[in-house]
Amino acid sequence: EVQLVESGGGLVQPGGSLRLSCTTSGFTFSSTWMHWVRQAPGKGLVWVSRINTDGSSTSYADSVKGRFTISRDSAENTMYLQMNSLRDEDTAVYYCVRYNSGWYWGQGTLVTVSS
Amino acid sequence: DIQMTQSPSSLSASVGDRVTITCRASQGINNYLAWFQQKPGKAPKSLIYAASNLQSGVPSKFSGSGSGTDFTLTISSLQPEDIATYYCQQYKTYPLTFGGGTKVEIK
Repeated sequence: EVQLVESGGGLVQPGGSLRLSCTTSGFTFSSTWMHWVRQAPGKGLVWVSRINTDGSSTSYADSVKGRFTISRDSAENTMYLQMNSLRDEDTAVYYCVRYNSGWYWGQGTLVTVSS
Repeated sequence: DIQMTQSPSSLSASVGDRVTITCRASQGINNYLAWFQQKPGKAPKSLIYAASNLQSGVPSKFSGSGSGTDFTLTISSLQPEDIATYYCQQYKTYPLTFGGGTKVEIK
């Protein structure tokens, strides 16, 4: 069974940092591109970032470019999202997502940016 | 960026009704289109990928069609457990983009 488990969310002040993790199982992590998608409270879904199989290629939404860094550790079957210079508008549930003959989502982790 | 426009933004239908949601892309995306269902407080659940392929484990009352710029999601017989918000997503080009969602309610 494919499992994606996010962790690392919490309350952080504006300008602060947070690192999210997505621990995976049930599939060959090293062969799969991975994504982060977020959803602000009461709003729609927004794609944030993606990383290729070996981490050599990444892309970001304009709203997070230069502040967020996606990475992965195939030995740990884990993907990360380092979030720096956080803003109020980064408040959202962050989902870890993979695509392989369909999209698979984690349960999400809530990030709240507030003073 | 490719804009995804869903319609309607909300709908109310009776149990047993056939429900259709449409999604239009601002440029051609071939069949790189997915549909998701999201219930309040829950993560999205994938229903359809590649425009018309049913994701494993999804009941056959859900179906998708279309190619290019115009797509539809159909629920053949609406049931109370189908109450949710439905989103389309294009994955042909980065940034991946989602429609604004369609909230489905029971009349």
